[in-house]
Amino acid sequence: AQTVTQSQPEMSVQEAETVTLSCTYDTSESDYYLFWYKQPPSRQMILVIRQEAYKQQNATENRFSVNFQKAAKSFSLKISDSQLGDAAMYFCAYVFGLDSGYALNFGKGTSLLVTP
Amino acid sequence: EAQVTQNPRYLITVTGKKLTVTCSQNMNHEYMSWYRQDPGLGLRQIYYSMNVEVTDKGDVPEGYKVSRKEKRNFPLILESPSPNQTSLYFCASSWSGQNTGELFFGEGSRLTVL
Repeated sequence: AQTVTQSQPEMSVQEAETVTLSCTYDTSESDYYLFWYKQPPSRQMILVIRQEAYKQQNATENRFSVNFQKAAKSFSLKISDSQLGDAAMYFCAYVFGLDSGYALNFGKGTSLLVTP
Repeated sequence: EAQVTQNPRYLITVTGKKLTVTCSQNMNHEYMSWYRQDPGLGLRQIYYSMNVEVTDKGDVPEGYKVSRKEKRNFPLILESPSPNQTSLYFCASSWSGQNTGELFFGEGSRLTVL
């Protein structure tokens, strides 16, 4: 089975510090897409960052960046200069191909607490 | 404003009473999907639709039905709800079935079945 694993159920970071959330996945495909989604207390799912597997360069979006290690099937999210508004549940997701309806397969999430 | 709209946002119902959760998107997206979110399980896909009149099962379709008669609407139907369908439901859409771009989510519908 193709799965996404987030090994850290909870993480904590101080404001202005840097935190890294880990994600590993299992796939037999060579071309795919990876995502990090943020779910704040409002429950809205918000796309944070996207990575195409065929691109070797790591994606970045302002304070958010990823460390994509294709051979290791690892896709970690780094949040720099953490802010109180970053507190949320973070989900790593992988998109399957046609046979799976292009479903996003989500990890179980990491709850990030940001302390002043 | 581009958005995915779900209704109702909150619903408490009783076992066996049919209900429908509506989903509408105003972005002309081809692909639409329903997920349920449960503690410790993340989000799991229920059904998806590649385009009008094209629907298929996701990972957890039992107890649910969908229809896609119009491009913008993708309602989720629970013919005979049971307590194990108590969950947070998300509708989502994207430009194409390949889903290589951003998946736009609705705000979620919290359903409780007593």
